[in-house]
Amino acid sequence: AQSVSQHNHHVILSEAASLELGCNYSYGGTVNLFWYVQYPGQHLQLLLKYFSGDPLVKGIKGFEAEFIKSKFSFNLRKPSVQWSDTAEYFCAVNALWTNAGKSTFGDGTTLTVKP
Amino acid sequence: DGGITQSPKYLFRKEGQNVTLSCEQNLNHDAMYWYRQDPGQGLRLIYYSQIVNDFQKGDIAEGYSVSREKKESFPLTVTSAQKNPTAFYLCASRPGQGETGNYGYTFGSGTRLTVV
Repeated sequence: AQSVSQHNHHVILSEAASLELGCNYSYGGTVNLFWYVQYPGQHLQLLLKYFSGDPLVKGIKGFEAEFIKSKFSFNLRKPSVQWSDTAEYFCAVNALWTNAGKSTFGDGTTLTVKP
Repeated sequence: DGGITQSPKYLFRKEGQNVTLSCEQNLNHDAMYWYRQDPGQGLRLIYYSQIVNDFQKGDIAEGYSVSREKKESFPLTVTSAQKNPTAFYLCASRPGQGETGNYGYTFGSGTRLTVV
């Protein structure tokens, strides 16, 4: 079974600081990878996803993530955060061909951006 | 707009009661999922369904039951056998059958269940 580890439970940044949230997964086969975001009072929504091809994927609101297969990692980055990025972020993995499209989620990282 | 509607938003259950959480989608998605979210624990899969009239247990199915009689509906019943039901419950869906998993989830807004 696959598992996902998000190393930072709570990150606090000032506006304009750069962001990197770590995500590692354990599964030896082919995977699809996702980042979801939950803004205060809103429901979870897809931020970006990786299926194949270019390991650097870009999502909404200036976020990007890089898939490094050798490190089993899919870290989320943003060069300059805004107060409106305050939210909880979840990394998720689908192990292809074995699990009916079920996603395994990390425990989440709460990002607080100070104005 | 298409989406997933979960109701009620808040639900209070007495000890020994069964309660049913509603999940309806108008996205024409084949696959639907129920997750439970506890503080600091992320999302854990309860049940999922890839097609009408079929569903499978997830990682924490004990004390829960589901049905999938219609494509757009996937209700979750929290039974009295669930020892710790207080949690936030999320319903999700994605298009397509099979195991490609190439689609991200669309989530509902969730139901917060509290045992009183």
